[in-house]
Amino acid sequence: QQQVKQSPQSLIVQKGGIPIINCAYENTAFDYFPWYQQFPGKGPALLIAIRPDVSEKKEGRFTISFNKSAKQFSLHIMDSQPGDSATYFCAARGVGGKLIFGQGTELSVKP
Amino acid sequence: DADVTQTPRNRITKTGKRIMLECSQTKGHDRMYWYRQDPGLGLRLIYYSFDVKDINKGEISDGYSVSRQAQAKFSLSLESAIPNQTALYFCATSEARGGNTGELFFGEGSRLTVL
Repeated sequence: QQQVKQSPQSLIVQKGGIPIINCAYENTAFDYFPWYQQFPGKGPALLIAIRPDVSEKKEGRFTISFNKSAKQFSLHIMDSQPGDSATYFCAARGVGGKLIFGQGTELSVKP
Repeated sequence: DADVTQTPRNRITKTGKRIMLECSQTKGHDRMYWYRQDPGLGLRLIYYSFDVKDINKGEISDGYSVSRQAQAKFSLSLESAIPNQTALYFCATSEARGGNTGELFFGEGSRLTVL
């Protein structure tokens, strides 16, 4: 079963738009929620992360919003640029420190 | 040089063949992982190792085996490859959990095609 559900699977926005990627989880034991960014031909790399005692975290143009009661979290990319075109994965850390990843979202930012 | 190196980067093989994917790291991390990436399914954990003497199954270990030859080396084997093992495979490392976020550092991937 997929413990972390991510949507949408793909997303196309114009430059300057604000793409939003959503994730939902079931396991309340998850204690850390990172987002990874993957460019074609490369491995994923940590982009930004949040702990469940915080409702929002910003790093540059990237913001995570976290809703603990709804067991949902989302990634917002402000003023998106063509260079942000990549695949984004949400994840959640469970027992033993293992990361469980979402299905991924392929983002395309058009010039 | 990359901190996490995977070989080979691309491999085409036939059904029934034995395949080994190798991973080496220079980050000095104790923990190593093998993930498989498929479109629409994300990254799924195959096996992980928290130190040389510790090997654990992940979500989808059937049909795979691993060997942790040293702190820096972790290899994934497909004893008898089948077409539905065609995928992009990633090795990753992390520090031990205590006191930090457990960030994963990924290699650049090994694309395996089983005909």
